[in-house]
Amino acid sequence: DQQVKQNSPSLSVQEGRISILNCDYTNSMFDYFLWYKKYPAEGPTFLISISSIKDKNEDGRFTVFLNKSAKHLSLHIVPSQPGDSAVYFCAASARQGAQKLVFGQGTRLTINP
Amino acid sequence: DVKVTQSSRYLVKRTGEKVFLECVQDMDHENMFWYRQDPGLGLRLIYFSYDVKMKEKGDIPEGYSVSREKKERFSLILESASTNQTSMYLCASSLPGGNTEAFFGQGTRLTVV
Repeated sequence: DQQVKQNSPSLSVQEGRISILNCDYTNSMFDYFLWYKKYPAEGPTFLISISSIKDKNEDGRFTVFLNKSAKHLSLHIVPSQPGDSAVYFCAASARQGAQKLVFGQGTRLTINP
Repeated sequence: DVKVTQSSRYLVKRTGEKVFLECVQDMDHENMFWYRQDPGLGLRLIYFSYDVKMKEKGDIPEGYSVSREKKERFSLILESASTNQTSMYLCASSLPGGNTEAFFGQGTRLTVV
């Protein structure tokens, strides 16, 4: 049972435009959501997070939006840069329980010059 | 600078061998995790530990065991390696309490032949 889903395996965006990555979840106990970025042969690096008490969090070019009623979050990158090309993972955790992160399948983002 | 270090970047082992993957963190984190990453499946949790000598099964524990004798070290053991355990293995650590990011090591690419 996939509790966190990223339905787009890949996304291609032109440099300078906006990249939008999407993520859906099913477990209503999740109260903290994160995005990680991963380059090949490296570990994931934390990008940005959002608590369930908020609906938006912004950090430079990166903004995460949370729609709790739809159980949906998205990551916006604007403007997109070639160095943003990577695999992006959405993750979620619940304060109750073991606080482990549950990950989606990942979306490969390619930024074209 | 926070650091999670995995003992090997690349490893090739034979079917049936006992394999040890080591992970050390220098952040005094209580929580430590082992994930494996496979194409199209994202990161799946194998085992996690929230204290020394404590361990909990994740989503795919079969064929694996773990050891946490010291707070900073978390070992993943493949009791008898099989070809379907060829994967990228990722160790992570985090603070307790939820609503916090996990920090990942650089990963170990294990090939079982």
